[in-house]
Amino acid sequence: DTGVSQDPRHKITKRGQNVTFRCDPISEHNRLYWYRQTLGQGPEFLTYFQNEAQLEKSRLLSDRFSAERPKGSFSTLEIQRTEQGDSAMYLCASSLGTGGVGYTEAFFGQGTRLTVV
Amino acid sequence: AQKVTQAQTEISVVEKEDVTLDCVYETRDTTYYLFWYKQPPSGELVFLIRRNSFDEQNEISGRYSWNFQKSTSSFNFTITASQVVDSAVYFCALSEAGYGGSQGNLIFGKGTKLSVKP
Repeated sequence: DTGVSQDPRHKITKRGQNVTFRCDPISEHNRLYWYRQTLGQGPEFLTYFQNEAQLEKSRLLSDRFSAERPKGSFSTLEIQRTEQGDSAMYLCASSLGTGGVGYTEAFFGQGTRLTVV
Repeated sequence: AQKVTQAQTEISVVEKEDVTLDCVYETRDTTYYLFWYKQPPSGELVFLIRRNSFDEQNEISGRYSWNFQKSTSSFNFTITASQVVDSAVYFCALSEAGYGGSQGNLIFGKGTKLSVKP
């Protein structure tokens, strides 16, 4: 397995357009996360899936954002009616959850850099 | 509230110097995890280390070492004999453990950009 894969790597869109990003996690990982990273900042959590269930959403995830993971494998993040403030790097990560209390490290993809003009 | 502070925005050193990156965290949980990630110019976050809140033992991995002190809520990272390839942005992160679905999302600091000059 080659790790977490994100597509596209770069996206330039006009304000008001819709965009969709795809993330393919490491194959045996049941947890998938989306983060957003703006210039000079650390990544900020957006949402989290365990298998196909979206279990947590950040307040950063406005109504224009929607994420899905229909079969518990790949995930998509859609932004509707993009705004210039949406310009950022969108990072996907996956991990293997073992249940109960505990944490296994998340592996990150290379991100999709979105520029809204 | 959970928070991670990396006070050093940028650090520049000359190759072979030792450098320490500071990280201070805030959490009300007694069980939590601390991480360091490296982000090279390619953009991918590379996992370096995870520590849980019950294990204050310092760790060394090659030229890297970590000093975890709960008394000062700090988790500092030292690179010994730095190399040009160490140039990257380094992020400290915190995750609070929990039951069920809400676990694992990371709270990152703003990062420290390390430049190692030959």
